[in-house]
Parts: sequence; C-alpha cells; structure tokens
Amino acid sequence: NAGVMQNPRHLVRRRGQEARLRCSPMKGHSHVYWYRQLPEEGLKFMVYLQKENIIDESGMPKERFSAEFPKEGPSILRIQQVVRGDSAAYFCATGWDPSGANVLTFGAGSRLTVL
Amino acid sequence: AQSVTQLDSQVPVFEEAPVELRCNYSSSVSVYLFWYVQYPNQGLQLLLKYLSGSTLVKGINGFEAEFNKSQTSFHLRKPSVHISDTAEYFCAALMDTGRRALTFGSGTRLQVQP
Repeated sequence: NAGVMQNPRHLVRRRGQEARLRCSPMKGHSHVYWYRQLPEEGLKFMVYLQKENIIDESGMPKERFSAEFPKEGPSILRIQQVVRGDSAAYFCATGWDPSGANVLTFGAGSRLTVL
Repeated sequence: AQSVTQLDSQVPVFEEAPVELRCNYSSSVSVYLFWYVQYPNQGLQLLLKYLSGSTLVKGINGFEAEFNKSQTSFHLRKPSVHISDTAEYFCAALMDTGRRALTFGSGTRLQVQP
C-alpha cells in the first residue's frame, strides 16, 4: 500500500463544510478509481478517472460530489456541504492499464467523520 | 444485476484450524475474481486472483481459492490459520462488460482465537 498515497488519513468536518481527499498514484499508474466504504459494508465504486478525463462516474452521487485527476498532481475527491451520511472511509486504487486483468493497488484510505 | 455475495459476515475459528470463506457471484458474462484482505485501519491487499486457466489459485499467506463456474463460486480456503490472519476479507469481481470497476462483496470478518 505504500505506493499509493492518500491524505489526509483522517478528516473531521462539520455539517455543511467541504472535504477534499487526495490520492497520489503509484509511479507509472495513470488510472485512478475511488471507492467508498460505509461502516460494516464492502467497498462501493464511485468513479474511474484517467489523466484529465472522467471515464466512469456511475457510482458518484449526483450532487455535492466531484472528482478530478489533473495532468499534474494528485487525484482529488471533493465533497461539498458534507452531511453525516458522508462519514465513511474513502479508498483510491490505481493501475497502469485499463484491461480486465488490471490488478489495482489500493491506498490506505481517508476516513471522513462528519460531526 | 451483477453482484458478489459473501454469505458469512463473521467467521470465528480457532488457531491452526482450517477455514473456508464463501463467495458467490452472479454474472452472465466472463468474470475475473479476486480476494482482498484488509487489516484494521489499512487499505486492501490482494491475496489472489483468478483470470483464466487452472481453477485452483494459490495466493499469499497460504491462502488458496477455487473457481467453480457451475456453482458460480470462488471460495477462499486456508488449511491452518494463525492469529495474524484475523482481518476482513473481501471477494471482488470484474465483469467482462467493458465496465472496469471491481464489484465487491460485503466482506467476511475472520476472527482467529487462540
């Protein structure tokens, strides 16, 4: 997991604030996936990005959530006007090719707590 | 709908005993299957994967899994567990539909007792 860096590891926000979660892929990886893990549940796919492109955002809530993966810098998952239901662990996973055999490397996650 | 089901939310077992964690998937298309382990407050680590070929797949830490197409199952096994195997285990599938995201099961908590 050391290769995929996520920060912050823990984030506390009050309702209505914004949360920004960052994911720096492993060297050579240009594909980024974001997943959300609610307490006592498995991981749910949110969005898949390549550099400067959103490929699949079918798992993203329609409002308040956005993601980007710019040409330079980390991928960012942004949650506006957070609510208590956004409290979860957010994981990013990165890979080097888009094929079905692509094995993803997961980061250690960012744990968001909304008060 | 494509889904991955882990029937057991928790599996308690004594140290050095064998264990099987069950996973079933539903898919009408070709599928790749994975098992991941998650230790407390950490990310997911790949245990093993099935892409094609031999249906018996060996992974790290002494784990193995068998792909059974007729049963649509991919159960994870270990002949003798250690205390250090206590963790959450997730089965995941990548369906050959062009959508590249993994579908995860809800997880099984393996608790190894001395």
